[in-house]
Amino acid sequence: DTGVSQNPRHKITKRGQNVTFRCDPISEHNRLYWYRQTLGQGPEFLTYFQNEAQLEKSRLLSDRFSAERPKGSFSTLEIQRTEQGDSAMYLCASSPNTGAFGDSNYGYTFGSGTRLTVV
Amino acid sequence: RKEVEQDPGPFNVPEGATVAFNCTYSNSASQSFFWYRQDCRKEPKLLMSVYSSGNEDGRFTAQLNRASQYISLLIRDSKLSDSATYLCVVLANQAGTALIFGKGTTLSVSS
Repeated sequence: DTGVSQNPRHKITKRGQNVTFRCDPISEHNRLYWYRQTLGQGPEFLTYFQNEAQLEKSRLLSDRFSAERPKGSFSTLEIQRTEQGDSAMYLCASSPNTGAFGDSNYGYTFGSGTRLTVV
Repeated sequence: RKEVEQDPGPFNVPEGATVAFNCTYSNSASQSFFWYRQDCRKEPKLLMSVYSSGNEDGRFTAQLNRASQYISLLIRDSKLSDSATYLCVVLANQAGTALIFGKGTTLSVSS
């Protein structure tokens, strides 16, 4: 296990189509996060899973977005009826569930991201 | 007001220069603080954590002022390889787990 893996690396889709991204976290990490990053901005939090439970969702996660982590391992992020404003880099990160708060390292590891272009 | 605000940049400096980045955060309940580095079209990677007492890692020094809600990163003796975007990152509070990122400050070191 060499890190957080995301697929696909790039996705070009037509407006109105549905897309699904996959994230495979580091195997011993309980926590999984999805972020979105647009050009010139820092990553923006979308949602968070602890094992299979989705515990936190950002206001950015509209009804067209859904994320799952059915067995507490890999996760998928689906965007329905894509819009041009959805074009961004979608980043997945994972972290262990050990003393995270106040832990100086926090142990976040990001994947390389999926770059979505909606045309 | 944004949760985490950083110097707009870009910073263009020659090799060997010392450069400082500043960051402010709005949530006084914030618990933990970090600097991440992001290379062009790559994912963010943890550069260093920021402790209340200040901490140093080689050429990099991070400082935190909780009273002013201010974080800084100092890079001494800049190298070409330091060219990247530096993201100021805050863990809001113990009720949440998500890291909140600033927009980032771009550094370009030239020879």
